[in-house]
Amino acid sequence: NAGVTQTPKFQVLKTGQSMTLQCAQDMNHNSMYWYRQDPGMGLRLIYYSASEGTTDKGEVPNGYNVSRLNKREFSLRLESAAPSQTSVYFCASSEGFQPQHFGDGTRLSIL
Amino acid sequence: EDKVVQSPLSLVVHEGDTVTLNCSYEVTNFRSLLWYKQEKKAPTFLFMLTSSGIEKKSGRLSSILDKKELFSILNITATQTGDSAIYLCAVERGSNYKLTFGKGTLLTVNP
Repeated sequence: NAGVTQTPKFQVLKTGQSMTLQCAQDMNHNSMYWYRQDPGMGLRLIYYSASEGTTDKGEVPNGYNVSRLNKREFSLRLESAAPSQTSVYFCASSEGFQPQHFGDGTRLSIL
Repeated sequence: EDKVVQSPLSLVVHEGDTVTLNCSYEVTNFRSLLWYKQEKKAPTFLFMLTSSGIEKKSGRLSSILDKKELFSILNITATQTGDSAIYLCAVERGSNYKLTFGKGTLLTVNP
């Protein structure tokens, strides 16, 4: 089973460019999440979707937008990338209070 | 604001040593505490703890939760080089499915 799949795995952007990170899960989970991970900062929640059709802000939502396209897919968009958004981005999914399953991450560099 | 503090932030040991990683927390409406192991890519789930005093065990790894003192420990006995990773602690509220992560402990096991 694929689990949680993120694309792309790596991306380099210039400041001001836009970009959409894609995430898809095949576990029929209702909830999906986007995190960023910076050195020494652990994982910080950007946005989450408790169920299809709903999205809510997490701890660090500024500069990002999300779309829950259907039950399987949850995308993260950077409208105008900034160097401060250089990070590793993880998508996760879960069902109820079961543990979250993570994708392998997208390493994003903004010059 | 929910808070999760892990200690130490980094640790270097020799193969065969026993290590104890710490996680303290402050969270409203606590439901569970989770431990994840992160090597090069996705965090992988280790344990979910909801009840005080009940040890969870998987091979050389074990964990326990103290809900009175608001902390958990993760023990690894007879460490191996393959245990080298970042160990992440996270807490979950009962009101939603969001996780708040600590900054992680970087464990390095030298041969």
